[in-house]
Amino acid sequence: GEDVEQSLFLSVREGDSSVINCTYTDSSSTYLYWYKQEPGAGLQLLTYIFSNMDMKQDQRLTVLLNKKDKHLSLRIADTQTGDSAIYFCAEKASSASKIIFGSGTRLSIRP
Amino acid sequence: DTAVSQTPKYLVTQMGNDKSIKCEQNLGHDTMYWYKQDSKKFLKIMFSYNNKELIINETVPNRFSPKSPDKAHLNLHINSLELGDSAVYFCASSQIPQGGNSPLHFGNGTRLTVT
Repeated sequence: GEDVEQSLFLSVREGDSSVINCTYTDSSSTYLYWYKQEPGAGLQLLTYIFSNMDMKQDQRLTVLLNKKDKHLSLRIADTQTGDSAIYFCAEKASSASKIIFGSGTRLSIRP
Repeated sequence: DTAVSQTPKYLVTQMGNDKSIKCEQNLGHDTMYWYKQDSKKFLKIMFSYNNKELIINETVPNRFSPKSPDKAHLNLHINSLELGDSAVYFCASSQIPQGGNSPLHFGNGTRLTVT
């Protein structure tokens, strides 16, 4: 069945890079997403990647996709305190009518 | 000019009561959703409507009844509330049904607490 997994917590020093990892099981995934949830707010789309791409860069964000290993990562360069949030990985399979979300990774920033 | 707005933001009620949550989107999207986020932040889809037609109905107790009077509104009515219904409920919308490059836009959530 469809499953998306992420580690629950990540702690990073301010100014360092954060790398949040995600694995998924559905090999027919077409789109993979990263959403950010700040406290008391809804999920906000950060970026997404189509499955025929290996990498996508958008300012401080870099998404890497390893389709063979079904592994997706989000790298945040120069992590700032405003990056503290929960980051959700999500995938949509070509045959599915819905998006499956991971459990979220809580990113905390230490000075 | 909030894109997806839901009311109320907080809802505290007793077991057995009936309550409704309202959602409106001004993005011109055709598809709207209700998601439930539990205390561990796990997010699960409940319902989806496309142009007022129900297209996704996950395994949700029939105490939950969505209603879409038009494609800009999707309300959620819950009968006979139970303790386990306590969660944050998110409304979302997208241009097409969970289309790949048509991502979801979420509201800020309604925190429901059943006592």
